[in-house]
Amino acid sequence: EAGVTQFPSHSVIEKGQTVTLRCDPISGHDNLYWYRRVMGKEIKFLLHFVKESKQDESGMPNNRFLAERTGGTYSTLKVQPAELEDSGVYFCASSQNRGRQTQYFGPGTRLLVL
Amino acid sequence: DAKTTQPPSMDCAEGRAANLPCNHSTISGNEYVYWYRQIHSQGPQYIIHGLKNNETNEMASLIITEDRKSSTLILPHATLRDTAVYYCIVREGGSNYKLTFGKGTLLTVNP
Repeated sequence: EAGVTQFPSHSVIEKGQTVTLRCDPISGHDNLYWYRRVMGKEIKFLLHFVKESKQDESGMPNNRFLAERTGGTYSTLKVQPAELEDSGVYFCASSQNRGRQTQYFGPGTRLLVL
Repeated sequence: DAKTTQPPSMDCAEGRAANLPCNHSTISGNEYVYWYRQIHSQGPQYIIHGLKNNETNEMASLIITEDRKSSTLILPHATLRDTAVYYCIVREGGSNYKLTFGKGTLLTVNP
């Protein structure tokens, strides 16, 4: 069974540009989470989808970040316009919607804003 | 903020058991203890979790004290590939399953 995949693995953009990150969860997982680690900080929760609905977006830093999960399958996280402080690693995780709902993480997207 | 306290670093000899402690004195009755690890710059990897009973799987064992205020992750025969940052996480109950990561413990397995 394929794990959580993320694209791209790396992205280097200039301040003010737009970047879109994609996450494909494990097949059949209704729950999808975004986390990120910025330089020198701990991994922080951004938001949680249940199917296509946003269950919790309390961790989204500001309105430059937009997450979508149309159709309840893959998700995108758009940063527009990107700022220097957005640099970091963005992780996606998914879990089933039953049982203990253990989250399985993808490899992350490394974003560098210059 | 993370509800757990872990030592910042530990060393272990290859082939020996690695015992990683975690304090979670404010844990609530319906909260699980989860352990993840992050090897170099990879995504966090799930290891094991438990509520109040001790748990064992192919990767590790989890020992939770009777009062649930602390736990120990045991890697029975550590290898060099187990060098990683290990995170002990108390997962919130209810419908909010977000994980709150702390700084974790950097385990270095030495040859």
